[in-house]
Amino acid sequence: NAGVTQTPKFQVLKTGQSMTLQCAQDMNHEYMSWYRQDPGMGLRLIHYSVGAGITDQGEVPNGYNVSRSTTEDFPLRLLSAAPSQTSVYFCASSKELAGIYNEQFFGPGTRLTVL
Amino acid sequence: AQSVSQHNHHVILSEAASLELGCNYSYGGTVNLFWYVQYPGQHLQLLLKYFSGDPLVKGIKGFEAEFIKSKFSFNLRKPSVQWSDTAEYFCAVKSNNDMRFGAGTRLTVKP
Repeated sequence: NAGVTQTPKFQVLKTGQSMTLQCAQDMNHEYMSWYRQDPGMGLRLIHYSVGAGITDQGEVPNGYNVSRSTTEDFPLRLLSAAPSQTSVYFCASSKELAGIYNEQFFGPGTRLTVL
Repeated sequence: AQSVSQHNHHVILSEAASLELGCNYSYGGTVNLFWYVQYPGQHLQLLLKYFSGDPLVKGIKGFEAEFIKSKFSFNLRKPSVQWSDTAEYFCAVKSNNDMRFGAGTRLTVKP
């Protein structure tokens, strides 16, 4: 098992550019989520999905879109990047949303800089 | 608003000292509680979790945490830290679909 994979590892964008952060998992997990990590603020949930075709907003969804066409993939799209979106982005997955198997497995992260 | 508070921003200890990191949350209903660790340059890994049952939870690498429902707390402890425990520690609380992380506590262990 590769676990949770993310690409790219590093990315520099100019203000206004768009891009997609990729996330994939090979554990057949139903629940996937995206977080951003900023100094002194911990991790904040951007969007999550409880299964293919189902997504919902988290704590800080503005400026980001997601889709879940397959169980394995959960891409995060920045439509028009802003300097405030400079952060480290983590994708995570878990077997279930609630219950004993709800611990999340995290990907290695994508460090994004918006100039 | 639901929140998770970690009291200490940065803790510096010498090897063999005892560790306790505080975590309080403001959720009112049923919660699942987690402690994650992030070693330098690495992604988050689960240290331990509380789902139900015994409120004293033992995790990997000698860590344990105690869930005190009346205090809305889930403090992390280790009797004797090692230099390799230097990392950032995050408390997380899950209630229904809502997962919130604390701001993190950076632990530096001096050899």
